[in-house]
Amino acid sequence: SNELTQPPSVSVAPGQTATIDCSGDNLGYKSVSWYQHKAGQSPIVVIFQNNRRPSGIPERFSGSNSGNTATLTVAGTQAIDDGDYYCQTWDSATGYVFGTGTKFTVL
Amino acid sequence: EVQLVESGGGSVQPGGSLRLSCAASGFTFKDYSMNWIRQAPGKGLEWVAYMSGRGSTVRYAASMWGRFTISRDNVKNFLYLEVNSLRVDDTAIYHCVRDDSGFFFHDSWGRGTQVTVSS
Repeated sequence: SNELTQPPSVSVAPGQTATIDCSGDNLGYKSVSWYQHKAGQSPIVVIFQNNRRPSGIPERFSGSNSGNTATLTVAGTQAIDDGDYYCQTWDSATGYVFGTGTKFTVL
Repeated sequence: EVQLVESGGGSVQPGGSLRLSCAASGFTFKDYSMNWIRQAPGKGLEWVAYMSGRGSTVRYAASMWGRFTISRDNVKNFLYLEVNSLRVDDTAIYHCVRDDSGFFFHDSWGRGTQVTVSS
C-alpha cells in the first residue's frame, strides 16, 4: 500500500519536545520529507531525505526513518511551530504521496 | 524570485472540463520538475501529477489516471493540467509546485486556482 498514516492531532506545551509519526509499508526504505503548512501560507519543507534540514529551518526540527515509521521531532517547541504537518514520499514508479496530515498545536 | 501563478479555475458541473495554467518565472523552467497539488476544503494536501523538466517522465495519483493530463511548454514557461470528467470531490484549490533541483521535495508553491464542481 502507498498510504501514509499520521495522527490527526498532536499537542505540546511551549519548550517541550513533540514527535509526529508517519506510518507506511516499508517506509524505512524510502526517502521522507516533512512539510509545515500554516493557514493562508504556502507549505514549506522542514525535513527532506529523512533527516536533512533545508537552510533556514531551525535546528529544533529533526527527522528519522526506520522500519515502517518516519518521525518528525520538534525540540524546544515554540508558538510559531503551530500548524499542519505532512509527511511525504516519492516513488519512481508511482510518484509522490502525502501523509494524512497532523494538526500540531502549541498549548 | 521564483513566481508561479495559476489560472483557469472556475465553477463547472459534474462531468465538465477545465484547463489549468501556471505561468512560471524567475528561474530556468526547463531545468525543474513540476507538479500539481490540490487541497480540498477542510482536507489535507493531495498530490495530483508530476512532470520532469523535459517532459519525459509523467506520474499521476491513482485516482487521477485517465481524467487528468499534465503538460508543459518550456518555451513559454507554462505548466498545464487538463482536468476532465470532473466530479464533486475534485473541488479544491489546485497549486502549481516546483521540485527542488536535486532532491525529491517541493521548494516553491503557487497560491493556487479554485476549481468548484457542483450541479
